Amino acid sequence: RKEVEQDPGPFNVPEGATVAFNCTYSNSASQSFFWYRQDCRKEPKLLMSVYSSGNEDGRFTAQLNRASQYISLLIRDSKLSDSATYLCVVTLNQAGTALIFGKGTTLSVSS
Amino acid sequence: ETGVTQTPRHLVMGMTNKKSLKCEQHLGHNAMYWYKQSAKKPLELMFVYSLEERVENNSVPSRFSPECPNSSHLFLHLHTLQPEDSALYLCASSPGQGGNQPQHFGDGTRLSIL
Repeated sequence: RKEVEQDPGPFNVPEGATVAFNCTYSNSASQSFFWYRQDCRKEPKLLMSVYSSGNEDGRFTAQLNRASQYISLLIRDSKLSDSATYLCVVTLNQAGTALIFGKGTTLSVSS
Repeated sequence: ETGVTQTPRHLVMGMTNKKSLKCEQHLGHNAMYWYKQSAKKPLELMFVYSLEERVENNSVPSRFSPECPNSSHLFLHLHTLQPEDSALYLCASSPGQGGNQPQHFGDGTRLSIL
């Protein structure tokens, strides 16, 4: 079983759409959770951390369900500039040295 | 500017060559990381250094040899690589080792092994 699993997509949506990405992780001892964004042939960049209570940053909302070992990212009012690959990241230890990345979900927003 | 600089951006080498990848961070961070990103595979953590000490080595073959002379610099020495080692090698840094601290990535070195 893969440690961090994501639907690879691609998700093709029109501008203004709402899109949701899911991620599941296998290790119940996982400590911290993040969403990173990676543009084509560029480095990953932190989009947002994911907290147990859920958190929102503008058009982006992240949710964590520890019981189901499930993380989600919701993007509202999609923009063309949101087109990228979204990486789900889990850290397995308190020190943060054991990071596991998902393969990523590709989003393409069209006009 | 990302704050994490990697050189070279591209590298083509034969299997018998020896080369080194360099990473420098200007963010005052204490932890640095090497990752490998291959096509259609998730990012793989290779090595972690915290305050210049290696704290994680994820079963990486010995043909990859990291070096961290100080908290701002990280090297990855390469020798007798295999074609399957062709990938994007990303360096990252974070303020410390804390699990909730995000990482800042460099642009990566795209490595091709002939």
